[in-house]
Amino acid sequence: GNSVTQMEGPVTLSEEAFLTINCTYTATGYPSLFWYVQYPGEGLQLLLKATKADDKGSNKGFEATYRKETTSFHLEKGSVQVSDSAVYFCALRRRDDKIIFGKGTRLHILP
Amino acid sequence: DGGITQSPKYLFRKEGQNVTLSCEQNLNHDAMYWYRQDPGQGLRLIYYSQIVNDFQKGDIAEGYSVSREKKESFPLTVTSAQKNPTAFYLCASSIREETQYFGPGTRLLVL
Repeated sequence: GNSVTQMEGPVTLSEEAFLTINCTYTATGYPSLFWYVQYPGEGLQLLLKATKADDKGSNKGFEATYRKETTSFHLEKGSVQVSDSAVYFCALRRRDDKIIFGKGTRLHILP
Repeated sequence: DGGITQSPKYLFRKEGQNVTLSCEQNLNHDAMYWYRQDPGQGLRLIYYSQIVNDFQKGDIAEGYSVSREKKESFPLTVTSAQKNPTAFYLCASSIREETQYFGPGTRLLVL
């Protein structure tokens, strides 16, 4: 079946550190892949997406590359800010349009 | 401004009471979704609707009901049969095969 596995949090980093949040998936075919971000008390916002192998999604300094060979979609940012503190969800879209979410990774950035 | 609105932001339910959560969108999206989010968990799909007057059960539909009489609206009723309703409820909408966009959420608490 389809599933998404992402690294457990919380992840705590100092400001300006390099960020990687790992995400791997299991799916039939080539699903679209997403990263969503959730700030405290709010809904989810789309951060970036990739629809086919080797695509790189990017937004607000965050990047993720669709790696078919390793079934991965790791989220990276070169220099994090305190304002990046949030919960990050990796997700895939199945052929029937349903979205499968990972459990989320809480990120704390210390000033 | 186009978007998804959910109301109320906080909702309190008494024992044995049915409560209804509102979700409205003015994005002209055909599909709408309801998710439940519990602490430390990913999102779980309750119900979804791909067209007016039609909806399908998701993974955890028991104790919930929905209607889709208008394209813009997809209310969720949490019935007294739902024994553990305390959670954060998120509504989303999308164009078929496109990204899902989320509302700000409703937090349901039991008195």
